Amino acid sequence: NAGVTQTPKFQVLKTGQSMTLQCAQDMNHNSMYWYRQDPGMGLRLIYYSASEGTTDKGEVPNGYNVSRLNKREFSLRLESAAPSQTSVYFCASSEAYEQYFGPGTRLTVT
Amino acid sequence: GQQLNQSPQSMFIQEGEDVSMNCTSSSIFNTWLWYKQDPGEGPVLLIALYKAGELTSNGRLTAQFGITRKDSFLNISASIPSDVGIYFCAGSNTGNQFYFGTGTSLTVIP
Repeated sequence: NAGVTQTPKFQVLKTGQSMTLQCAQDMNHNSMYWYRQDPGMGLRLIYYSASEGTTDKGEVPNGYNVSRLNKREFSLRLESAAPSQTSVYFCASSEAYEQYFGPGTRLTVT
Repeated sequence: GQQLNQSPQSMFIQEGEDVSMNCTSSSIFNTWLWYKQDPGEGPVLLIALYKAGELTSNGRLTAQFGITRKDSFLNISASIPSDVGIYFCAGSNTGNQFYFGTGTSLTVIP
């Protein structure tokens, strides 16, 4: 039982490049989330998916897109990376209010 | 977005001491949660609170849901070195949108 897994763990992009962050959970949870964590700012919600086939914007959605591919997988895409998107990205899943987080992806945009 | 303020920002304590930290919000929440984050890892849920006034324990940790629904408190008794980390509060009203505090960094001196 792996919980929530994320790939890659680290990534460096040049401004304007695109990439997709992958997330998968094996707990059969309906809800999945993408957060970013910046120093001194806690975690901020980018997008969430309350169930397979639905996605909604969170607090900071600009510059990102998401896909809920199936119940297990929820991906985050940066179409044209900007230095302001340098951050640590966490995926989470939940049933009700109790969220379980993945280990994070550390992204640097130069 | 919602602002959750945590205090103190950081704490340095001797092993064996008790720790208190709190989280306040400008808005009310129906649910308060407390997480711990170790370096390089995702947050891990410690305690979830679902009712105003509720006091809940998890081992040496005790958390309270403030009666005004705008605050929550976390206490750690008899601290040990593995308590080191960053503690985050989070509030939610819908079970989909979660708002996180800025964190309290705890250092335990053996």
